[in-house]
Amino acid sequence: GEDVEQSLFLSVREGDSSVINCTYTDSSSTYLYWYKQEPGAGLQLLTYIFSNMDMKQDQRLTVLLNKKDKHLSLRIADTQTGDSAIYFCAEIAYTGTASKLTFGTGTRLQVTL
Amino acid sequence: DAGVTQSPTHLIKTRGQQVTLRCSPKSGHDTVSWYQQALGQGPQFIFQYYEEEERQRGNFPDRFSGHQFPNYSSELNVNALLLGDSALYLCASRRAPNTGELFFGEGSRLTVL
Repeated sequence: GEDVEQSLFLSVREGDSSVINCTYTDSSSTYLYWYKQEPGAGLQLLTYIFSNMDMKQDQRLTVLLNKKDKHLSLRIADTQTGDSAIYFCAEIAYTGTASKLTFGTGTRLQVTL
Repeated sequence: DAGVTQSPTHLIKTRGQQVTLRCSPKSGHDTVSWYQQALGQGPQFIFQYYEEEERQRGNFPDRFSGHQFPNYSSELNVNALLLGDSALYLCASRRAPNTGELFFGEGSRLTVL
């Protein structure tokens, strides 16, 4: 079955880089996702990576995918106080044409001045 | 583009009551999924609708049911509410076949007293 694991907490100083790590189990996942959730809000799609890619960069965000180790990471460059939130990693699994996301428990990112 | 919209944003019910939550997918999207997010946890998949049919279901009891309308909007119904049903209910939409873009709404926060 699918299982996604993340560390619970990360604290960084403003201006530093943040790296949030995730491991997943379903090697057949075609897409892997990163979502951001601020207090009391829904999930904001930050980025996603297709499984045939090793890296994807989008402005301050860099996603690295190691398929061999089933490891996904999200790097946020020049971390700002507005980046403080919970970050969820998710893998997608298909049953026929239907699909579902399996999420990790989320990593709370705290940005200090 | 309004993105994924959900209503109501907040509601309070008592045990044994029934609730209906609504979701309008992002423009151009035809597949809707529902997730339950308990406090401090990652979202859990409830079910997915496509072409007005339930295509996949997570590990939720029959008290949870849904519907998709011809305009792709969807409803989630929960009968015989329990205290443990208190959670943030999230709707996600995408286009079939999946191109990677999978967006969530802001959620409906249900409190059961």
